[in-house]
Amino acid sequence: GIQVEQSPPDLILQEGANSTLRCNFSDSVNNLQWFHQNPWGQLINLFYIPSGTKQNGRLSATTVATERYSLLYISSSQTTDSGVYFCAVEGGANSKLTFGKGITLSVRP
Amino acid sequence: GAGVSQSPSNKVTEKGKDVELRCDPISGHTALYWYRQSLGQGLEFLIYFQGNSAPDKSGLPSDRFSAERTGGSVSTLTIQRTQQEDSAVYLCASSLGWGSVFEQYFGPGTRLTVT
Repeated sequence: GIQVEQSPPDLILQEGANSTLRCNFSDSVNNLQWFHQNPWGQLINLFYIPSGTKQNGRLSATTVATERYSLLYISSSQTTDSGVYFCAVEGGANSKLTFGKGITLSVRP
Repeated sequence: GAGVSQSPSNKVTEKGKDVELRCDPISGHTALYWYRQSLGQGLEFLIYFQGNSAPDKSGLPSDRFSAERTGGSVSTLTIQRTQQEDSAVYLCASSLGWGSVFEQYFGPGTRLTVT
């Protein structure tokens, strides 16, 4: 099946800093979603982005489908951005999402 | 509007007992998915429903796991004769339709602990 690799596995930032989170996938995809898992375990939808670029406030994402990667940009980070960021892709015919192992982000005041 | 809801939020059970986990999808969403999140395995897909039908059950870990959906809405995941390795957070998701063009939205999960 499709493989998803996220990097770096852990990231520590000072409040106000910018960061880039990366997601590589092993095959062509029809769906790619970025999630933020908050400290209570809830997966919050950030972006549905199988290709192209989207922006939402301080967050933006770019997926280059032909090169099989996606990037999540966080600008002017805040302590509330802390948590685990997951990339998930779907490349087959059954709509199941395959998740990466996640990137643990800690933003320090 | 209301998001995906799951119940119970936490469940502690003794090894060998059966448990039922419930998922209420977002109103109007026809596709429903079950995933499991555990420390060793990360987030893994279990099963999905198109309406009341589950075309692919290959993600279920063993024959002790089963799921059903009735009325195109509520779904129940049942684990029989629970084992300690079943301890995990069980997540439900729903989407407006079936297929990769539809974004999946997740519920808060049920944390299952098997003692």
